[in-house]
Amino acid sequence: SQTIHQWPATLVQPVGSPLSLECTVEGTSNPNLYWYRQAAGRGLQLLFYSVGIGQISSEVPQNLSASRPQDRQFILSSKKLLLSDSGFYLCAWSGVSQETQYFGPGTRLLVL
Amino acid sequence: KNEVEQSPQNLTAQEGEFITINCSYSVGISALHWLQQHPGGGIVSLFMLSSGKKKHGRLIATINIQEKHSSLHITASHPRDSAVYICAAWGNQFYFGTGTSLTVIP
Repeated sequence: SQTIHQWPATLVQPVGSPLSLECTVEGTSNPNLYWYRQAAGRGLQLLFYSVGIGQISSEVPQNLSASRPQDRQFILSSKKLLLSDSGFYLCAWSGVSQETQYFGPGTRLLVL
Repeated sequence: KNEVEQSPQNLTAQEGEFITINCSYSVGISALHWLQQHPGGGIVSLFMLSSGKKKHGRLIATINIQEKHSSLHITASHPRDSAVYICAAWGNQFYFGTGTSLTVIP
């Protein structure tokens, strides 16, 4: 069966510090991978998606970036965090049909 | 205007009540999902619909493609149903509603 992992589960970082969140998927090959952010009191916002290694599409311009160094690994990064980057970050994967997405447990990020 | 609108935003119910959460969308879609987000943040997919109605236990989801509307019903609600319910429409990408926060009081 397929599983999706995210770490860390919780992160508190000062403004201006770098960020690296990791997401890995097991049990499937060539998944589509997604990063979402859910800010407090708001809905899910798609940040990045990837259909293959090295292929990243950005939905929202911001100080975040994403990379996919391996087929089942998706990394969300920032060189300098802003207060507005606080939120709940969810990674998800889907198959080729893209109709059903499976979500990871999420990373709660607090920028102080 | 969001592509997906949910109502109500917040809902409080007594245990045992019948609950309805509504979702309207303005984009062309091939499927609509209902997601449940627990207080800890984890998200679980409840239903994927492209037409008609689906039932799973006490949960029922319906969709009317012509009216671009879907509903999620919970029969005999229970405190463990307390969660945020999110409607997500799949067109060429996912469009998410802002969620309905449900609290079921014993």
